[in-house]
Amino acid sequence: EAQVTQNPRYLITVTGKKLTVTCSQNMNHEYMSWYRQDPGLGLRQIYYSMNVEVTDKGDVPEGYKVSRKEKRNFPLILESPSPNQTSLYFCASSLLLAGTDTQYFGPGTRLTVL
Amino acid sequence: AQKVTQAQTEISVVEKEDVTLDCVYETRDTTYYLFWYKQPPSGELVFLIRRNSFDEQNEISGRYSWNFQKSTSSFNFTITASQVVDSAVYFCALNNYGQNFVFGPGTRLSVLP
Repeated sequence: EAQVTQNPRYLITVTGKKLTVTCSQNMNHEYMSWYRQDPGLGLRQIYYSMNVEVTDKGDVPEGYKVSRKEKRNFPLILESPSPNQTSLYFCASSLLLAGTDTQYFGPGTRLTVL
Repeated sequence: AQKVTQAQTEISVVEKEDVTLDCVYETRDTTYYLFWYKQPPSGELVFLIRRNSFDEQNEISGRYSWNFQKSTSSFNFTITASQVVDSAVYFCALNNYGQNFVFGPGTRLSVLP
């Protein structure tokens, strides 16, 4: 089954404790992206990647890191989480350039930083 | 700068009513894509439609229709004969062909039986 998977689905952590949210797709998609969703703000793009070893900042990259060492994986790293990073996070992928193809979204990761 | 505005925060309708969700966008680019996504109460994001800036034809898919007007920078979404299953948050989004996506804040639609 074609899908985007994220782990964990739920995470409660404390300020400053490094964490990684994994994202994997099995569709051989080139483009992958991370978003956060907050009430009243919709989805905001954090980082995106056009292909292996190619990443770029979205609108809200501060406090986040990403890497794209393999085509299928695009982990989101919070090196020192803070309470304002409490949010619902979505990973997405699409076959080609994001504007020319449908984005498929993962199920979301709800992160709480205490 | 790009921006997507969905002025309607919440809409409630009674089943079988028609409802239109508004989307207004801002971009300086001449090549761009517009999207609508649905987020039902279960939380996943479901793709509904993609439209490029050179195609202003309206589109109909079953009970759903979309009206794209470049003159007013709008890409409105109409649900005809709404059903309870249409209850969701709907997002309009813009991509400027530069890989950066901008989403609107969403409109929460409640369809009452």
